[in-house]
Amino acid sequence: AQTVTQSQPEMSVQEAETVTLSCTYDTSESDYYLFWYKQPPSRQMILVIRQEAYKQQNATENRFSVNFQKAAKSFSLKISDSQLGDAAMYFCACITQGGSEKLVFGKGTKLTVNP
Amino acid sequence: NAGVTQTPKFQVLKTGQSMTLQCAQDMNHEYMSWYRQDPGMGLRLIHYSVGAGITDQGEVPNGYNVSRSTTEDFPLRLLSAAPSQTSVYFCASSLEGTSYFTGELFFGEGSRLTVL
Repeated sequence: AQTVTQSQPEMSVQEAETVTLSCTYDTSESDYYLFWYKQPPSRQMILVIRQEAYKQQNATENRFSVNFQKAAKSFSLKISDSQLGDAAMYFCACITQGGSEKLVFGKGTKLTVNP
Repeated sequence: NAGVTQTPKFQVLKTGQSMTLQCAQDMNHEYMSWYRQDPGMGLRLIHYSVGAGITDQGEVPNGYNVSRSTTEDFPLRLLSAAPSQTSVYFCASSLEGTSYFTGELFFGEGSRLTVL
């Protein structure tokens, strides 16, 4: 079974600055997907970005990008030009293929954006 | 465009009581799942289903039952509530089923359950 570790319980950033949230994972499978989900104070989870393990190119979605280091099993999220609306809990998650339909989440990082 | 709908949003139970958390999706998704969220623990998978008539256990299934009689509905039952089941519960669904699940989930707004 895969595991996901987020070592930063809390992070803060100034508005318009850049912040990077860390995530490491462990799996013995070669075919897997990685995700970052955002949970704002309203509580509803929203997908931010997805990365396929077989793709070498880092995924990007507007101000959000990832740094996927497959050998190191690292999957960090970079938020550029941070906005007040980015304040939320961010969860890293992993799912492996090959029969397992279980998406495993990390414990989350609480991001505060200071005006 | 309702998406994933959970009811109730809030519930207080006494120890030993039973209840059902309802989850319905109108996106014709094959995959549905229940997570619980506890402070400092992230989201933990309780049960999931890859299609009508098929359910399986997640990481923390004890104390919970599920069924999937239709594609749209995936209720979560607590037969005898315990204080350890105080949590926020999320239902989530995905278009993909057994063929190729890539893990992109659509979440409901959550149900906060307190067991006294």
